[in-house]
Amino acid sequence: GAVVSQHPSRVICKSGTSVKIECRSLDFQATTMFWYRQFPKKSLMLMATSNEGSKATYEQGVEKDKFLINHASLTLSTLTVTSAHPEDSSFYICSASHPTNSYEQYFGPGTRLTVT
Amino acid sequence: QKEVEQDPGPLSVPEGAIVSLNCTYSNSAFQYFMWYRQYSRKGPELLMYTYSSGNKEDGRFTAQVDKSSKYISLFIRDSQPSDSATYLCAMSGQGGSEKLVFGKGTKLTVNP
Repeated sequence: GAVVSQHPSRVICKSGTSVKIECRSLDFQATTMFWYRQFPKKSLMLMATSNEGSKATYEQGVEKDKFLINHASLTLSTLTVTSAHPEDSSFYICSASHPTNSYEQYFGPGTRLTVT
Repeated sequence: QKEVEQDPGPLSVPEGAIVSLNCTYSNSAFQYFMWYRQYSRKGPELLMYTYSSGNKEDGRFTAQVDKSSKYISLFIRDSQPSDSATYLCAMSGQGGSEKLVFGKGTKLTVNP
């Protein structure tokens, strides 16, 4: 149990377009989801914390108008990269906190975004 | 000083070796300590979790937390080639509902 999926797994888009990444908790309801970004050979950098039904809390330095997060239901959060640029190319990973295993975040498999 | 420091390696060991990975941290509010394993181009998966100080063993893996020294370790016994991955330490003050602070990760290669 406690599976988190992401879609798509890989996406290539042109500069200036927008890309939406979905994060779903498949077998549990997640009141809190997190979005991370990971550069090659670097650690995970938290971008924002998303709570169902409320606005996301963004980390310092993360542009909320560029990285739109919508946590529409207890099993789905989306990250939309708007007006993407090559420097937005990265590995984006979501995680979801489990309602009963309070210590753990379950991670999705990640989405590789390449902006050309 | 960064909140969590972890030597990125890379670390290369022969099969069967004992591997020691560690992290130091500066925030005394951290109570939850985790080790994640991440294979290339995959999301992290939780290996070990420890609350507060102490040791925890699970098969070939042992996690240790020394809050007085702000130092955590992960030991892998009888390492296998399948253990080759990047190991990330992570910690938080309030568990899974709070954001995790990650170390940079240590890339481990176990050579057959």
